[in-house]
Amino acid sequence: KAGVTQTPRYLIKTRGQQVTLSCSPISGHRSVSWYQQTPGQGLQFLFEYFSETQRNKGNFPGRFSGRQFSNSRSEMNVSTLELGDSALYLCASSLAPLAGRETQYFGPGTRLLVL
Amino acid sequence: AQSVAQPEDQVNVAEGNPLTVKCTYSVSGNPYLFWYVQYPNRGLQFLLKYITGDNLVKGSYGFEAEFNKSQTSFHLKKPSALVSDSALYFCAVRDDNNDMRFGAGTRLTVKP
Repeated sequence: KAGVTQTPRYLIKTRGQQVTLSCSPISGHRSVSWYQQTPGQGLQFLFEYFSETQRNKGNFPGRFSGRQFSNSRSEMNVSTLELGDSALYLCASSLAPLAGRETQYFGPGTRLLVL
Repeated sequence: AQSVAQPEDQVNVAEGNPLTVKCTYSVSGNPYLFWYVQYPNRGLQFLLKYITGDNLVKGSYGFEAEFNKSQTSFHLKKPSALVSDSALYFCAVRDDNNDMRFGAGTRLTVKP
């Protein structure tokens, strides 16, 4: 069974641009969560989606948005990029939401560099 | 606001010895508690979580964690450490409002 895939793996953007990151969950998984990891802020929770509905959003500005499609694939978008958005963006999938007992599986991440 | 603390930046243990990685939390209401591990060049992995029920939670790779409500702790443990357990470990807490916070991480080094 294929694991969680994230595309692209690496990305370089300039300030003010926007970016879209994609996450394809494990087949059959309906829950997708996104996380940001930076050296300064550590790991932070971004979003949780289940069955195309955003269940939860972390403490991030409105420039960060996301969605989930009917095939459970998820995208996150960051508009008007800032230098501080440079980070490793991680996606994880599971059968059910985080409040359940199911295991999460993480993708390799997308490393975004904003210049 | 909820918070989670990992009081030790670094933990060193000898292979074969028991290991403990500490985590304390502060949350209003019922906590959901998680442990994750990040191996070098292998990404982040889920280890275990506490939702409700038994205070002792068993997870992947022989790890377990004990939920202690009175001490607001969720320490990660393993009876016998392996060199391959060397990694960065993160504790996380989520409250009833689905707000999720991570600890700063603890780097575990297991020496042969």
